[in-house]
Amino acid sequence: DAKTTQPNSMESNEEEPVHLPCNHSTISGTDYIHWYRQLPSQGPEYVIHGLTSNVNNRMASLAIAEDRKSSTLILHRATLRDAAVYYCILRDISTDKLIFGTGTRLQVFP
Amino acid sequence: DAGVIQSPRHEVTEMGQEVTLRCKPISGHDYLFWYRQTMMRGLELLIYFNNNVPIDDSGMPEDRFSAKMPNASFSTLKIQPSEPRDSAVYFCASSLKGVWNTEAFFGQGTRLTVV
Repeated sequence: DAKTTQPNSMESNEEEPVHLPCNHSTISGTDYIHWYRQLPSQGPEYVIHGLTSNVNNRMASLAIAEDRKSSTLILHRATLRDAAVYYCILRDISTDKLIFGTGTRLQVFP
Repeated sequence: DAGVIQSPRHEVTEMGQEVTLRCKPISGHDYLFWYRQTMMRGLELLIYFNNNVPIDDSGMPEDRFSAKMPNASFSTLKIQPSEPRDSAVYFCASSLKGVWNTEAFFGQGTRLTVV
């Protein structure tokens, strides 16, 4: 499984944008980039995913570097509810598994 | 749909006892995954099923662990005999297709404590 590298923790103030980075230098052409987050005492929840182009949904935006060796999850206006562990995961179309790394713990301050 | 439903939410058992965790996936989903989460090891994939058939159980820690999916709407994860090191939160997840291009939905988890 291709590996991702994320900072252990990040901090943000409420209503400010947050950029969560992820490095995946060994990504292959068929790897999809997935982001999940886990709120305290809950199961992981899907945030967004993409292959090559930047993606937007109601929760966040995903910016993918042109060489695909890194990506950034963008929360446009952080809220206290966004405090969670954010996981960046690479998934190959040849496998159905979703393997989690250690993720980034995001703290949001009022 | 009520989402992925796991039961029980909390389980406390004595070492040596059999423990059965249950999962009801979202209706119509083809894939079901069992994960275990601990502080030391994070989220680990234990086993996953496609159309009720186990596809990859390489994450199952040892023979004390077993998982079944008798039908599309029910799966169990059994630990027999249980040990204190099995204490963890166990999550079940389901997805409509292979997770490479779709999202997986997770249950709220079962917190297992083995004393």
